[in-house]
Amino acid sequence: EVQLVESGGGLVKPGGSLRLSCAASGFTFSSYSMNWVRQAPGKGLEWVSSISSSSSYIYYADSVKGRFTISRDNAKNSLYLQMNSLRAEDTAVYYCARDRTVVTPAFDYWGQGTLVTVSS
Amino acid sequence: DIQMTQSPSSLSASVGDRVTITCQASQDISNYLNWYQQKPGKAPKLLIYDASNLETGVPSRFSGSGSGTDFTFTISSLQPEDIATYYCQQYDNLPRKTFGQGTKLEIK
Repeated sequence: EVQLVESGGGLVKPGGSLRLSCAASGFTFSSYSMNWVRQAPGKGLEWVSSISSSSSYIYYADSVKGRFTISRDNAKNSLYLQMNSLRAEDTAVYYCARDRTVVTPAFDYWGQGTLVTVSS
Repeated sequence: DIQMTQSPSSLSASVGDRVTITCQASQDISNYLNWYQQKPGKAPKLLIYDASNLETGVPSRFSGSGSGTDFTFTISSLQPEDIATYYCQQYDNLPRKTFGQGTKLEIK
């Protein structure tokens, strides 16, 4: 069974940093591109970042470029999101999600999400 | 950037009704469109990929159609468990995988 489990969320002050993790199991993690998607309280879904299976291709939404860093460790079946210079508008539930295939990058599996709250 | 506009933003329907949600792209995205269902407090779930392909395990009352700029998501006979918010998502403009603003579906 495919499982994605996020961790690392919490309360952080504006300007602070946080590192999210996503532990994957039940599939060959090293064969899939992965993503981070966030959802502010009461709002819609926003794609944040993507990383290819071998980390060769990395992309960010304009809203986080230069502040967030996505990475992965295929040996540990883990995905990460390093978030620096956090702002109040970064407050959201952060989900990790798997690309269905390279050709069809629909998000076919999602974690349960981890809440990040940026507040003084 | 490609903008995705869903309509309506909210919808109330009765059990057994046929429900239709539309998603319009600001430019041609071929069939590079997905549909998700999100129930309150839960992660989204993929229902339809490539505009019209039903994800494995998804009930056949869900369907999608369209290409280019205009897309439709349909529930043929609304069930109580279908109460959720539905999102479209484009992936023509990679790497950006933009979502629509969502359609909240309620039971009348």
